[in-house]
Amino acid sequence: NAGVTQTPKFRILKIGQSMTLQCTQDMNHNYMYWYRQDPGMGLKLIYYSVGAGITDKGEVPNGYNVSRSTTEDFPLRLELAAPSQTSVYFCASSYSTGTSGGSYEQYFGPGTRLTVT
Amino acid sequence: GQQVMQIPQYQHVQEGEDFTTYCNSSTTLSNIQWYKQRPGGHPVFLIQLVKSGEVKKQKRLTFQFGEAKKNSSLHITATQTTDVGTYFCAGRPVSSGSARQLTFGSGTQLTVLP
Repeated sequence: NAGVTQTPKFRILKIGQSMTLQCTQDMNHNYMYWYRQDPGMGLKLIYYSVGAGITDKGEVPNGYNVSRSTTEDFPLRLELAAPSQTSVYFCASSYSTGTSGGSYEQYFGPGTRLTVT
Repeated sequence: GQQVMQIPQYQHVQEGEDFTTYCNSSTTLSNIQWYKQRPGGHPVFLIQLVKSGEVKKQKRLTFQFGEAKKNSSLHITATQTTDVGTYFCAGRPVSSGSARQLTFGSGTQLTVLP
C-alpha cells in the first residue's frame, strides 16, 4: 500500500492564480481531511469528508474548496491564491465506524509546500 | 471554540535527559491522540488515550490522560537523538457539534543535543 499520496510536492503560485492539490489514499478509509501547517505552528483543519459525496468545513475553509467523488480521492482547490495561503498542506485519512467519528488514527500524506508570491 | 494548548513550545535537552510536554484543553475531551513530526516530515500517529486517568507506555515514552479528560502529557525517559521532532497532541471534544474533528495543539519542538 502506498498509503496517502499528495501531488505536487512543491508549488509556487502568483497572486490570483488557481490550482488543485491532489490527494489519494489506497487504504479504503472513509474519512479524509485537509490541513494547513504554518511555520512553527500546529495543524489547522481546512475541510474534511466522511465519505464519497459528503464534505464539511473545518476551522479555516475560506479561500478553499473540496470535492469527494470517490473514496480514494479528495482534491483541494485554491481559486484565487493569496500570500496568506503560503503554507504546507497535509492530506490525511482515517477509518471510522458509526458515531465514533475521528477516533481512529489519522494517516498523513507527505505534504505539499505552497508559496504564493 | 475549543482550544488545545501545548507547553513548552520549544525544549532543548542533552541526550540522556528526560523530556515532558503538556497538553491542556479548554473543554472535556472524548479522547486524545499524540503525533510526532520529524523535521521536514509529516505527522505520524503515536498513540490514543480514551479513559480518564489512562496511562500507556511505549518503550521510553509514557502517555497520560488526566482524570478530568482535559489534559494530557507525554514523557520521554533518557532522550536519544532519534527523538528529535515536534510532538503534537490532538483532541476531540465531547460536546463537538461535529463528531469527527480533531483539534491539534501547537506542538512542542524537541531538540536533543548529543
